Amino acid sequence: DAKTTQPTSMDCAEGRAANLPCNHSTISGNEYVYWYRQIHSQGPQYIIHGLKNNETNEMASLIITEDRKSSTLILPHATLRDTAVYYCIGRNYGQNFVFGPGTRLSVLP
Amino acid sequence: KAGVTQTPRYLIKTRGQQVTLSCSPISGHRSVSWYQQTPGQGLQFLFEYFSETQRNKGNFPGRFSGRQFSNSRSEMNVSTLELGDSALYLCASSFRGGSGDTQYFGPGTRLTVL
Repeated sequence: DAKTTQPTSMDCAEGRAANLPCNHSTISGNEYVYWYRQIHSQGPQYIIHGLKNNETNEMASLIITEDRKSSTLILPHATLRDTAVYYCIGRNYGQNFVFGPGTRLSVLP
Repeated sequence: KAGVTQTPRYLIKTRGQQVTLSCSPISGHRSVSWYQQTPGQGLQFLFEYFSETQRNKGNFPGRFSGRQFSNSRSEMNVSTLELGDSALYLCASSFRGGSGDTQYFGPGTRLTVL
């Protein structure tokens, strides 16, 4: 699995877009990029995943660079409830998820 | 569809005891994975079961074991509990466990060892 690196923490103003970067320069061609978030003491919540193309769902958008060495998770209109730890994970077939320390996002009123 | 359920949600045990945690996956999901989360080590993979067989195992001592039943429900057992086993134990299920196969997590079981 690709090793991912993320900023330790970020702040975002409520109502603004939150852009969370992730570096996965060692990702292989068939590894998906997954994003999860975890609100204090709850189970991680799936947000979105992608392989090569940009993806969008009701929660967020995922922008993957053309060389696939980095990606950005975008929460278009952050709310206080989006305050959480966000994990970016690279996952290959048959491999388990390897969670790093993630990015602690604080949405400020 | 109902989500992943875990029982019990909270558990207090003493050192030397053993504990069994239960996980019911999302209906139709055949892969179940277990994770341990502690403040010091973060989220760490324990093992994965698919079709009643352990398919993947993390770096944990043999005191940690698991099994999966024919209905895909899974249990994990920790024997001879140590203080360091205090953690949030998370179960996640997915359809087959492949690379593009999303894992969905349960709420976790909070184990406290005294």
